[in-house]
Amino acid sequence: GAVVSQHPSWVICKSGTSVKIECRSLDFQATTMFWYRQFPKQSLMLMATSNEGSKATYEQGVEKDKFLINHASLTLSTLTVTSAHPEDSSFYICSAIGMTSQETQYFGPGTRLLVL
Amino acid sequence: QKEVEQNSGPLSVPEGAIASLNCTYSDRGSQSFFWYRQYSGKSPELIMSIYSNGDKEDGRFTAQLNKASQYVSLLIRDSQPSDSATYLCAVNNGSGGSNYKLTFGKGTLLTVNP
Repeated sequence: GAVVSQHPSWVICKSGTSVKIECRSLDFQATTMFWYRQFPKQSLMLMATSNEGSKATYEQGVEKDKFLINHASLTLSTLTVTSAHPEDSSFYICSAIGMTSQETQYFGPGTRLLVL
Repeated sequence: QKEVEQNSGPLSVPEGAIASLNCTYSDRGSQSFFWYRQYSGKSPELIMSIYSNGDKEDGRFTAQLNKASQYVSLLIRDSQPSDSATYLCAVNNGSGGSNYKLTFGKGTLLTVNP
């Protein structure tokens, strides 16, 4: 149980385009989903927290107009990187918390983004 | 600034030995502590969670928590080459309710030599 999927697993795009990443909880309803970013040899940095049906809460320094988060249902959250630039190239990972274990975050497999 | 500190390593142990990974945290009010394993190029996977002072054992893994010293550790007994990975310590700094935010350390790279 507690499986989280992400799609796509990797994406290459041109600078200036937008990229959408999906995060799904497959066998549980996720009350909260989190989006992280990880640069090479660095730890995970929380970008934002999203709850179903409400606006995401962004961490300090994360541009909410650039990283659009939509949490439309209890099993799906999306992150859209708008007008991507090479410095946005990173490993984006989502995690989810379920109703039965509200402290444990289960991570998706991650999406590797390369902006040319 | 709530911080989680780990020795970046690399920590190298021979196969069959005990690997000891350490973590300290700055927020004395933290209540929940987690150890994640991250293989290169992959996302983290949960190994252990611990909430109370003392030891918690799960198979070859033992987590130890000392809230007075703001210290949490992970012991891996009978280390295997497949245990070679980066181990991330994570602390819940959330204020309760649905706000379960984790702060991660930078991770300790463990190498188990055959």
